[in-house]
Amino acid sequence: DTEVTQTPKHLVMGMTNKKSLKCEQHMGHRAMYWYKQKAKKPPELMFVYSYEKLSINESVPSRFSPECPNSSLLNLHLHALQPEDSALYLCASSWGQLNEKLFFGSGTQLSVL
Amino acid sequence: GESVGLHLPTLSVQEGDNSIINCAYSNSASDYFIWYKQESGKGPQFIIDIRSNMDKRQGQRVTVLLNKTVKHLSLQIAATQPGDSAVYFCAEKSSGSARQLTFGSGTQLTVLP
Repeated sequence: DTEVTQTPKHLVMGMTNKKSLKCEQHMGHRAMYWYKQKAKKPPELMFVYSYEKLSINESVPSRFSPECPNSSLLNLHLHALQPEDSALYLCASSWGQLNEKLFFGSGTQLSVL
Repeated sequence: GESVGLHLPTLSVQEGDNSIINCAYSNSASDYFIWYKQESGKGPQFIIDIRSNMDKRQGQRVTVLLNKTVKHLSLQIAATQPGDSAVYFCAEKSSGSARQLTFGSGTQLTVLP
């Protein structure tokens, strides 16, 4: 299994809603990542988990809250988002945090109304 | 800060022709480079990578060339097919404690029938 699976594929939420994005991989990778991608722009790193511990937070607002329940799962909890947070949210994994080759999921297209 | 950029935002080629996508980087400490392909509605997909101790690497229909003297990277796609139409991102990683991928701005490749 060489896939990173993200759910849901699409999400529409209001600014007062609480929602969660989910990511799963079964490749035995020990590093997992959240990226944000705006249309026609490159992915921007948000968070990195290494061995289930948060190792990098790229100054992301607290309305985004990551969680890594185990080595195969990564969640991104969303609360009180703004319309400018609308974007494609990508999950990725790699063998280790220092490993360069990232495997990406297909992303969750998020719209905040 | 350091940046990774692309010379051309868009590239159109005839089906069957060869494509060349260019990328410039500015960090002389970069020691790993990778190309991703992103189709509409999907996450980035690994194409090929190269380390700084090499100047050329070949895959199936793709070749990556690295010129460290002028800090230039290129992706060559042989016999371009309609399925090659996508946005192509180069990314680099530099030696150091952070060692996270930095993505370039992307090139939209369109294959004309």
